[in-house]
Amino acid sequence: KAGVTQTPRYLIKTRGQQVTLSCSPISGHRSVSWYQQTPGQGLQFLFEYFSETQRNKGNFPGRFSGRQFSNSRSEMNVSTLELGDSALYLCASSSGGGASEQYFGPGTRLTVT
Amino acid sequence: GEDVEQSLFLSVREGDSSVINCTYTDSSSTYLYWYKQEPGAGLQLLTYIFSNMDMKQDQRLTVLLNKKDKHLSLRIADTQTGDSAIYFCAESMAGGGNKLTFGTGTQLKVEL
Repeated sequence: KAGVTQTPRYLIKTRGQQVTLSCSPISGHRSVSWYQQTPGQGLQFLFEYFSETQRNKGNFPGRFSGRQFSNSRSEMNVSTLELGDSALYLCASSSGGGASEQYFGPGTRLTVT
Repeated sequence: GEDVEQSLFLSVREGDSSVINCTYTDSSSTYLYWYKQEPGAGLQLLTYIFSNMDMKQDQRLTVLLNKKDKHLSLRIADTQTGDSAIYFCAESMAGGGNKLTFGTGTQLKVEL
């Protein structure tokens, strides 16, 4: 069974631009969660989608948004990029609706200049 | 509130046991997890324990949970150089879906 895939793996953007990251969960998994990892703040929860509905949201500004498609693939979008958005963005895939085994992708490394 | 803490560094000799500790504050935790992150990589799920369990063993890994003290530990037996990485504990909460709250991470260095 293929693992969680994220594209692209690396991205360089300029302040003010927007970016879209993609996550394909493990086949059959219906939940996708997104996390931001930075040296200063560690791993922080962005949001979770389950069956195309946003189920949980972390404490991030509205510039961060996401969606999930009917095939469970998810995208997250960051608009009006700031230098502080430079981070490793990780997505996690899970089969269940409640807390259960969650498997992470390799991440997308976003650098904002 | 949600707060998960870990010590920042641990250094052990190859062949010794490693014990990585974690404390959490939320008593409504449902599952507690241990993840491993190697440089430039994502998070690898090592093991997890349901909050009504005291212990779980999985090959070289032993997880101990003291719910009264809100203390979680991961013991790695016969630690190898390939175990060098950052280890994160994480908790999920009742009603929180799949949202995980992570600790700060413990960098494990295994020396020859």
